[in-house]
This record gives sequence, structure tokens and C-alpha cells, in this order.
Amino acid sequence: DAGVTQSPTHLIKTRGQQVTLRCSPKSGHDTVSWYQQALGQGPQFIFQYYEEEERQRGNFPDRFSGHQFPNYSSELNVNALLLGDSALYLCASNRGGSVNEQFFGPGTRLTVL
Amino acid sequence: AQSVAQPEDQVNVAEGNPLTVKCTYSVSGNPYLFWYVQYPNRGLQFLLKYITGDNLVKGSYGFEAEFNKSQTSFHLKKPSALVSDSALYFCAVRDRLGRGSTLGRLYFGRGTQLTVWP
Repeated sequence: DAGVTQSPTHLIKTRGQQVTLRCSPKSGHDTVSWYQQALGQGPQFIFQYYEEEERQRGNFPDRFSGHQFPNYSSELNVNALLLGDSALYLCASNRGGSVNEQFFGPGTRLTVL
Repeated sequence: AQSVAQPEDQVNVAEGNPLTVKCTYSVSGNPYLFWYVQYPNRGLQFLLKYITGDNLVKGSYGFEAEFNKSQTSFHLKKPSALVSDSALYFCAVRDRLGRGSTLGRLYFGRGTQLTVWP
């Protein structure tokens, strides 16, 4: 049973570029959340998708957008990259409608130069 | 607003000794509380959760946590630490609110680096 998978593992971009990160949830999970973890910090919630809709959003600008597909996988898009967007981006999944814990993927390390 | 505080950036213990990693929370209503562990260059691994019921929760790898409502705390404990327990530990509280009442986001603390010395 595969857990949460994310791609790519690492990514290097320059300021102003756009990036797309991908996530496949754990089998049986239908809810995907994205978090940003800056160096030395705890993960910060970006947004959550359920039934292909954004259900909750954290305090992140509109440059951060996402999508959920019918197979429950998800993408995180960041436009007009800033140096401060450099971080580990974590995807988490859980089964909606329950209080189950979120399972996290290994993350994508984004470096903006 | 919900929040979590981990008052210690670092905890150092000798192998075989008991360990405690502290966490306090602030929520509206009854909390859902979680502990996760993160190894270098890895994602977060779930350790245990408190939803309701017994205040002492047992989790993975011999860890347990005690929920104390009056002190708004959820400290992580282990009776005998192992060198392999050395990692970054995060406490989190789950939001019950939002357009989907069970689709809660997690609020994380800053993390506590646990080092277990041989």
C-alpha cells in the first residue's frame, strides 16, 4: 500500500518563474492538504482540497493556487516565485469526514535563486 | 485562533532515561491533538493523537502523551529513550472549523529537536 507520494523531490527555480508540485494521496484517502515548511519552522498550512474544491486556505497570497483531480491527486502551483518561497513543501492526505490523522509525503524541496 | 507552543527548541537526554517533550495549546472548544516526528530530509511521521477519552494516549515506537485539559498541555513522553529517537518533534492541533466541519487543518508548533546521547 503506497503512502503519500510527491514529485519532484528537489527543484531549483529563479525569481519570477512558476512552479508546479504534484502529490498522490495514500490509497483510500480523498482529502489533500498542502503545507510549507521553511527552514527551522513548523509546517504552515497553505490550503486543503476535498471533492475537487478548495475547502480551507491559510494565510498565503493568490500566487499560491492548487487543483485536485478526480483521482484525488493534487497539484500546487506557485507563480512569480520569490526568494522567500524557498522551503520544503509537504503534501498530506486523509479520509474526509473523519478525524483521522493526516499522512504526510516526503516533501518537495524548492530552492528559489 | 488555534495555536500550539513548544517551549523548548532542544531537549537532550541520555539513552535509557525517560524523555518529555512539552506542548501547550490554545483552541476554541475541545481539541484534536497530534504528535509527529520528522527525520532529516524526510516528511512527517504520525506518532499519536488525542481525540477524546482516556487522557493517556499510547502511540508508535513506545511513545505516549498525556492530555491535561486544565493545563492545556499535551506532553510527549517515553519511559526509556533510544539514540534512534533523535529527531525533530512537532505538536499539532486540528481545527474543527471550516466549510467542512471535519476537514480540519493542522496548526503546528515550531518543533523540538530531541537528541539522545549514547
